[in-house]
Amino acid sequence: NAGVTQTPKFQVLKTGQSMTLQCAQDMNHNSMYWYRQDPGMGLRLIYYSASEGTTDKGEVPNGYNVSRLNKREFSLRLESAAPSQTSVYFCASSPLAGATYEQYFGPGTRLTVT
Amino acid sequence: KQEVTQIPAALSVPEGENLVLNCSFTDSAIYNLQWFRQDPGKGLTSLLLIQSSQREQTSGRLNASLDKSSGRSTLYIAASQPGDSATYLCAITKYGGSQGNLIFGKGTKLSVKP
Repeated sequence: NAGVTQTPKFQVLKTGQSMTLQCAQDMNHNSMYWYRQDPGMGLRLIYYSASEGTTDKGEVPNGYNVSRLNKREFSLRLESAAPSQTSVYFCASSPLAGATYEQYFGPGTRLTVT
Repeated sequence: KQEVTQIPAALSVPEGENLVLNCSFTDSAIYNLQWFRQDPGKGLTSLLLIQSSQREQTSGRLNASLDKSSGRSTLYIAASQPGDSATYLCAITKYGGSQGNLIFGKGTKLSVKP
């Protein structure tokens, strides 16, 4: 039982390049989330998927798109990377959306945009 | 806007001490509060989840309390060990927010010296 896995672990992009961050969970959770963590800002929600087939914006969605590929996988795409998107990205999952359920986090992807 | 504050930003204690980490939030209308641990370069590990109807939760040497009326939570760590060294984050889910939208504090970096 691997929990929440993310690929890649590290990535360096040039401004304007695109890439997709992958996330998968094997806990049969319905809800999945993408956060970014920046020094001095804490973690902020980018997008979430309450259930398979649905996605919604979080606090900082601009410059990102997401796809809930199936119940296990939730990807985050940067279409045209900018230096402001340099951050650590975390994927999380929970049994259901809503406040009563714990969220379980992946190890993170460290992205640098030059 | 809901804000979550953690004081102090950093704390250093000798091994064996009991310690308290503090978390405060500006709006008492929360669903729950969750404490996480983050090791350097790693993801977040959920420690304790306190529902809004609860006053405290315990797990091993950890005890978390919640006082909604005063907008405060504390994480008590008994008999601290060097392995407890990490950054501790608290996060709340508020009424009216996006489903599962955790609002994080910036964390307290704990160092336990042998």
